[in-house]
Amino acid sequence: VQLVQSGAEVEKPGASVTVSCKASGYSFTFYYIHWVRQAPGQGLEWMGIINPSGGSTSYGDNFQGRVTMTRDTPTATVYMRLSSLRSEDTAVYFCARAPERRGAIDYWGQGTLVTVSS
Amino acid sequence: QSVLTQPPSASGSPGQRVTISCSGSSSNIGSNPVNWYLQLPGTAPKLLIYTNDQRPSGVPDRFSGSKSGTSGSLAISGLLSEDEADYYCAAWDDSLDGQVFGTGTKVTVL
Repeated sequence: VQLVQSGAEVEKPGASVTVSCKASGYSFTFYYIHWVRQAPGQGLEWMGIINPSGGSTSYGDNFQGRVTMTRDTPTATVYMRLSSLRSEDTAVYFCARAPERRGAIDYWGQGTLVTVSS
Repeated sequence: QSVLTQPPSASGSPGQRVTISCSGSSSNIGSNPVNWYLQLPGTAPKLLIYTNDQRPSGVPDRFSGSKSGTSGSLAISGLLSEDEADYYCAAWDDSLDGQVFGTGTKVTVL
């Protein structure tokens, strides 16, 4: 099982960023994908979840209206787009796999550093 | 913001036992299983315990988990220097309809 994320990004305040997460080594549509972020020196913050099977999503309250998660089944890739970036969005963003919607996350991507700076 | 509360730090000498608590509420730990993750500096978290007390393949039996009511607990016995890391609990929250994480505990081996 591998979740390979796109590379580091530097964005200006107000811009948007898209991070990709390419899955391999398992049946893509059988597992949910979470997005979790971690600001420098801080803890883990859940952003949302997507069901690759039908594309349904659920987003955390802190990100409603700013985050969009999509998937491309033929390439087994999930995308997370965060808009209206501010400095507080500087963080490492992780995608992570879970067999069940409410269950444990069993595999994590390597993380993508997004830096928001003018 | 974290919904689950953990002590910020815990420590022990090599060979000792360390316990980390995770306090939640009826909408998360009280209704759903607790999971635990270990994170080494600069790396992604790794699943340590799932469904309260189950160890994934490859996780030593020095790590054990439990749950009672709205709290979970992780114990590390026979502490090793390689156990120095950040530890996070997590659970699904029915009210928020999302995953919630603990505040994190940094374990130091003296």
